[in-house]
Amino acid sequence: LAKTTQPISMDSYEGQEVNITCSHNNIATNDYITWYQQFPSQGPRFIIQGYKTKVTNEVASLFIPADRKSSTLSLPRVSLSDTAVYYCLVGERAGTASKLTFGTGTRLQVTL
Amino acid sequence: EPEVTQTPSHQVTQMGQEVILRCVPISNHLYFYWYRQILGQKVEFLVSFYNNEISEKSEIFDDQFSVERPDGSNFTLKIRSTKLEDSAMYFCASRRDGGTNEKLFFGSGTQLSVL
Repeated sequence: LAKTTQPISMDSYEGQEVNITCSHNNIATNDYITWYQQFPSQGPRFIIQGYKTKVTNEVASLFIPADRKSSTLSLPRVSLSDTAVYYCLVGERAGTASKLTFGTGTRLQVTL
Repeated sequence: EPEVTQTPSHQVTQMGQEVILRCVPISNHLYFYWYRQILGQKVEFLVSFYNNEISEKSEIFDDQFSVERPDGSNFTLKIRSTKLEDSAMYFCASRRDGGTNEKLFFGSGTQLSVL
């Protein structure tokens, strides 16, 4: 699985847009990019997944440039409840029982 | 949204004792996983399970660990002789298949404390 690098922590004020960038220079052709969110004492929760260009759902947007060596998770107008750790994962989505390997994640702190 | 259920939410045990952590994956899912997270550290993969056998395991998953799917609904992680360093939050996860666009659903975890 491709190694990912993301900032250890970020701070934001409520109502702002937050962009978290993840580097994955060794991403393989078959790799997809997936972001998970984790609140304290809870299991990670899927946010969004993409392969290339832009993906948007009700929670976030994911921007992936043409070379796919990085990706940016965009959270519009964050609230206090968005305070969490955000993980960027890269790996094959096909195959039997493929695992996901978590990095250290980005700890987002949202304040008033 | 369907949920992965884990019991108990907290487990306290003495060093050397056996513990069994239980999980009920989402009903139509076929791939099952255990992860653990030591306080303040990252989520670590332990083992994946498919078609009633282990697909992959990490270095952490040594002979003290075992997994089982005893019936059609439960998925268990057994630690035979717990050590202090086994204290962690253990997460069960499942996914429908290993193929296209399948997200991993995690349970809320079991906090294991070994004294």
